[in-house]
Amino acid sequence: DAKTTQPNSMESNEEEPVHLPCNHSTISGTDYIHWYRQLPSQGPEYVIHGLTSNVNNRMASLAIAEDRKSSTLILHRATLRDAAVYYCILNSGGSNYKLTFGKGTLLTVNP
Amino acid sequence: ETGVTQSPTHLIKTRGQQVTLRCSSQSGHNTVSWYQQALGQGPQFIFQYYREEENGRGNFPPRFSGLQFPNYSSELNVNALELDDSALYLCASSNRVTGANVLTFGAGSRLTVL
Repeated sequence: DAKTTQPNSMESNEEEPVHLPCNHSTISGTDYIHWYRQLPSQGPEYVIHGLTSNVNNRMASLAIAEDRKSSTLILHRATLRDAAVYYCILNSGGSNYKLTFGKGTLLTVNP
Repeated sequence: ETGVTQSPTHLIKTRGQQVTLRCSSQSGHNTVSWYQQALGQGPQFIFQYYREEENGRGNFPPRFSGLQFPNYSSELNVNALELDDSALYLCASSNRVTGANVLTFGAGSRLTVL
């Protein structure tokens, strides 16, 4: 599986936008970019995924670079409940259900 | 729709013992994966099951084994427990389709090996 690189930690203030970066320079043409987050004492939670185009859902937006070598997860207005570890993961889909998690980015949200 | 449920939530075993962890898939899902998460680390893939057969395995020894039942629920069995097996064990289910795979995770079973 192609590797992703994320900052170890980031900090934000409540109600401000948060941009979480992810580098994946060895991404293949068939890899989807997935984001999951893990709140304290819970299992990972799916946030969003995309292939080439930017994506929006009720939780977040995903901005994908034109060359697909990087992406950014955007939380439009951070809340205290968004404090979690965010994982950027590449997966080729189909019969490949293996998600390779790194250490992710620990997001702290200040009131 | 119900999510993924795991049991037990916490358990303590001693070295050399055996443990069975259980997972009920989300309604409509037919594939189950298991992950091990050590403290401070990201989850690590153990294996996945589809149609009651293992069809993908991570770097875990054979003493980690599993089952998937006709109702798509699953068990993870670990024999000859070692201290390093202490971790959060996560079950994830999904619906096997083409395209991107989206997994739904349970809250996990916290295993402590003494």
